[in-house]
Amino acid sequence: NAGVTQTPKFQVLKTGQSMTLQCAQDMNHEYMSWYRQDPGMGLRLIHYSVGAGITDQGEVPNGYNVSRSTTEDFPLRLLSAAPSQTSVYFCASSYFRQGRDYGYTFGSGTRLTVV
Amino acid sequence: ELKVEQNPLFLSMQEGKNYTIYCNYSTTSDRLYWYRQDPGKSLESLFVLLSNGAVKQEGRLMASLDTKARLSTLHITAAVHDLSATYFCAVADTKLIFGTGTRLQVFP
Repeated sequence: NAGVTQTPKFQVLKTGQSMTLQCAQDMNHEYMSWYRQDPGMGLRLIHYSVGAGITDQGEVPNGYNVSRSTTEDFPLRLLSAAPSQTSVYFCASSYFRQGRDYGYTFGSGTRLTVV
Repeated sequence: ELKVEQNPLFLSMQEGKNYTIYCNYSTTSDRLYWYRQDPGKSLESLFVLLSNGAVKQEGRLMASLDTKARLSTLHITAAVHDLSATYFCAVADTKLIFGTGTRLQVFP
């Protein structure tokens, strides 16, 4: 049981490049989400998904796309990277069963620098 | 729109002292979470609070939830250096929204 796996752990991009941050979980969690954390700040929600085929915007969705074709994977795409997207990105997953909340599991993070 | 506010943002406290971190939120919810984050690390789950009046304790930390007041507290008892970290509360409706965090430093 690997939990929530994020790849890569570190990435440097040039302005205008595109890339995909990967997030996978092996716990059969319906809910998955992406956050960004800027230095000295809290986590801001980018996009989230409540199940395969269903996604929605969070607090700061501009510049990012997501899709959820399977329960296990929730990739985050940067179409044209900008220096303002330099941040640490966290993926999280969770599920609920019969009214019981099992909490949210976080990945180890991806540190992205856009130059 | 769900908003979550924490205070204080920064807390410097002496070992052995007690203190409380406050988390206020803007909408009705009975699902509140506390996390700890060490520098350069991911988030570690501390408490899951799921009903009005819920109280949970682990070591020197105790968390409570008052859904009517839309308030949760994280109480630190007899602080030790190992508790130095950033603490976040987060509230869930259809999505999980975080507070700004409280950076705690415990000194001798």
